[in-house]
Amino acid sequence: NAGVTQTPKFQVLKTGQSMTLQCAQDMNHEYMSWYRQDPGMGLRLIHYSVGAGITDQGEVPNGYNVSRSTTEDFPLRLLSAAPSQTSVYFCASSPLGSNTGELFFGEGSRLTVL
Amino acid sequence: GDSVTQMEGPVTLSEEAFLTINCTYTATGYPSLFWYVQYPGEGLQLLLKATKADDKGSNKGFEATYRKETTSFHLEKGSVQVSDSAVYFCALLDTGFQKLVFGTGTRLLVSP
Repeated sequence: NAGVTQTPKFQVLKTGQSMTLQCAQDMNHEYMSWYRQDPGMGLRLIHYSVGAGITDQGEVPNGYNVSRSTTEDFPLRLLSAAPSQTSVYFCASSPLGSNTGELFFGEGSRLTVL
Repeated sequence: GDSVTQMEGPVTLSEEAFLTINCTYTATGYPSLFWYVQYPGEGLQLLLKATKADDKGSNKGFEATYRKETTSFHLEKGSVQVSDSAVYFCALLDTGFQKLVFGTGTRLLVSP
């Protein structure tokens, strides 16, 4: 029962470096999303996707890119990391059309930008 | 836009104490409401939900009632355990379909 798998779990970057946070789910969920979690600010939506080839911006999309070439994978790219992107990132998925509001979360990726 | 406000933490209790974590919301219409829980080192998981006014969601001894008149969804448990120590997030499902809006989270610490 893998569910939603995120890699890496921890990463340290220098300002200006690029990297990709990987997210994969094996539940055949159409909807996938990325959140960042910061102290005192809860979870904020970065980008989301309702299916392969379809992505859209959330509340805080600047500095991040996403793509959705398959149903299973939804990578998050940081093209030029900044200290303000130090955060814990969560990928989440759900079946489209269920309208239950239940998201299935990965365990998170803690990113530090120096 | 839609928003959720939770009480500040941490909330520190002794085992078997009564728990209340306050949550109020601002939204157009009547959104579905949720409580998610995050245990240390893990992702969030759904704890309970309510989809319409006066509904009561319940799970693992936790309860919350959807109060339209006070726009609230307070989380309660009659007797907390050490294993309930976690961060609790209140959330609503806005009209943008499956876009959950989260509160800032409330950390609960339960001591033996």
